[in-house]
Amino acid sequence: GENVEQHPSTLSVQEGDSAVIKCTYSDSASNYFPWYKQELGKGPQLIIDIRSNVGEKKDQRIAVTLNKTAKHFSLHITETQPEDSAVYFCAAQDWGSQGNLIFGKGTKLSVKP
Amino acid sequence: GAGVSQTPSNKVTEKGKYVELRCDPISGHTALYWYRQSLGQGPEFLIYFQGTGAADDSGLPNDRFFAVRPEGSVSTLKIQRTERGDSAVYLCASSFDRVRNEQFFGPGTRLTVL
Repeated sequence: GENVEQHPSTLSVQEGDSAVIKCTYSDSASNYFPWYKQELGKGPQLIIDIRSNVGEKKDQRIAVTLNKTAKHFSLHITETQPEDSAVYFCAAQDWGSQGNLIFGKGTKLSVKP
Repeated sequence: GAGVSQTPSNKVTEKGKYVELRCDPISGHTALYWYRQSLGQGPEFLIYFQGTGAADDSGLPNDRFFAVRPEGSVSTLKIQRTERGDSAVYLCASSFDRVRNEQFFGPGTRLTVL
């Protein structure tokens, strides 16, 4: 089945700097890769996603890149703000497992003012 | 419109008791998912409904766990003979369907088994 690795587990940046979180996946059949932001005590919030027919997608300060050959995808947050502080999860839709989402273990992002 | 809602937000029970957790998906979403999230981990898939039927229950850990969605909308996750290891946050998500698989999560139910 699919296995998703996420790095780093913690990330601390200064306000205004960029943050990059990386994930790798194992199953070449996976074709949908969402990113979620989870604040303390809340459910995960979908912030951006990418499908395998696209290499990059951008939404304001957030962008995601996908390298199908290398089986890795990354989340880029520019001009970070304190409200970006949260745990971020990547996921891959594993069509080898009936299309279930397989999540990484998360990255705790802290943005220092 | 309204997002996914889950009740209760917190549930404390004693070992061996039976619990029910409820999920109300986004209106019009035919697909519904249950996940379990342990501290410091990502959500772990439990079961997926397409309409009223459980299309994939491969993530349920054992036969103490069961879920229903009788009318294709609200779903209930049922746990019998709870164990301390069942303590976790139980998340529900819904999507328009399996193809348009943008999943939207509810706030979760924190289950504590004493």
